[in-house]
Amino acid sequence: VQLVQSGAEVRTPGSSVRVSCKASGDTFNSFTFTWVRQAPGQGLEWVGRIIPIIDITNYAQRFQGRISITANESASATFLVLSSLKSDDTAVYYCARIDDDSDAFDIWGQGTMVIVSS
Amino acid sequence: DIQMTQSPSSVSASVGDRVTITCRASETIETYLNWYQQKPGKAPNLLIYAASTLQTGVPSRFSGSGSGTDFALTINSLQPEDFATYYCQQSYNSPLSFGGGTSVEI
Repeated sequence: VQLVQSGAEVRTPGSSVRVSCKASGDTFNSFTFTWVRQAPGQGLEWVGRIIPIIDITNYAQRFQGRISITANESASATFLVLSSLKSDDTAVYYCARIDDDSDAFDIWGQGTMVIVSS
Repeated sequence: DIQMTQSPSSVSASVGDRVTITCRASETIETYLNWYQQKPGKAPNLLIYAASTLQTGVPSRFSGSGSGTDFALTINSLQPEDFATYYCQQSYNSPLSFGGGTSVEI
């Protein structure tokens, strides 16, 4: 299984960004997918997750109201939309697969740099 | 929310050394604890899951221990490719959370 993410994005404060993550090589709906971000020089921060087969999402509290994680089974892809962007949303955003047995993030995308700047 | 605290934040070591990194959860997480290695400019890589189970393909010099609130990652006989940043992560409940990271430096 591989996860391939969309390319880097530059946005202005107050706008929105959509990042995609396409899975190949396995049954997409069998897994849970998660998003993690990393600001420059900082640690990893959990953003949210989606269970495509039952269309359930969980989000970190700090993003509530301005985040949406969706999945498209036919495209074998998950999408992160973050709105009302601020400069401190500048980060690399990673998608990852959560293994059903271990509950660990066992496969990661390559990361997508999102820069928020006026 | 469960807070994860790692220590130390950085450690200096030499090839061949043994290094131990600790991770403490703010409440019990049983053994729902995972460890990742991250190298600069790369995505994290899963090393250990369920506190002590080595992910397929990970060298046996890596080991994990602990349960409840206190956990450790040990690297025996440090190799040049092990110089990286290590993160713990709890998968006990949502919101999922990471420790602050430990940089293993030469």
